[in-house]
Amino acid sequence: NAGVMQNPRHLVRRRGQEARLRCSPMKGHSHVYWYRQLPEEGLKFMVYLQKENIIDESGMPKERFSAEFPKEGPSILRIQQVVRGDSAAYFCASSPPEKTDTQYFGPGTRLTVL
Amino acid sequence: QKEVEQNSGPLSVPEGAIASLNCTYSDRGSQSFFWYRQYSGKSPELIMSIYSNGDKEDGRFTAQLNKASQYVSLLIRDSQPSDSATYLCAVCPSSASKIIFGSGTRLSIRP
Repeated sequence: NAGVMQNPRHLVRRRGQEARLRCSPMKGHSHVYWYRQLPEEGLKFMVYLQKENIIDESGMPKERFSAEFPKEGPSILRIQQVVRGDSAAYFCASSPPEKTDTQYFGPGTRLTVL
Repeated sequence: QKEVEQNSGPLSVPEGAIASLNCTYSDRGSQSFFWYRQYSGKSPELIMSIYSNGDKEDGRFTAQLNKASQYVSLLIRDSQPSDSATYLCAVCPSSASKIIFGSGTRLSIRP
């Protein structure tokens, strides 16, 4: 049973470009969560999604950030017009529908904004 | 007050000793509590979950929960150098499915 998959593992963007981060949950998991970890800091919740629905986006910055989890395909975290402060590790986690508080993390995408 | 608080460390423990990691949380209605281990440059790995007051043991790890004191701890017996990592305390608040993480405690096991 493959774990949570994220790609790319490393992403370099210049200021003003767009970053797209992808996450495929574990098989049988229909709930996806995105977290951001700044250097030397803890994990900060960003957004919680089910297929075709955003359940909780209370941690998402109001501008430039969006997330989706379409019926088919991976969940996407999109950051428009990136700035240096967006440089961080972005982790995706997934959980089974019957146990949403038990989350398993992917390897993360490390975004560097030049 | 932070929702989940941990001492950032580093906590240095000799090999073979017991490492004790502590965490407090602010939402009294929280029901689910977790400990994750994160090696440098890697993703968090779930090592323990606990839902009721008392102790829960799994191998060398024991999680302790005291809801009255809003306190969670993790004990690691017979500490090994491979236990050196950052340990993240995580709490699922009463009103949400999201998990709130503490900032982590860096643990260093010295040979």
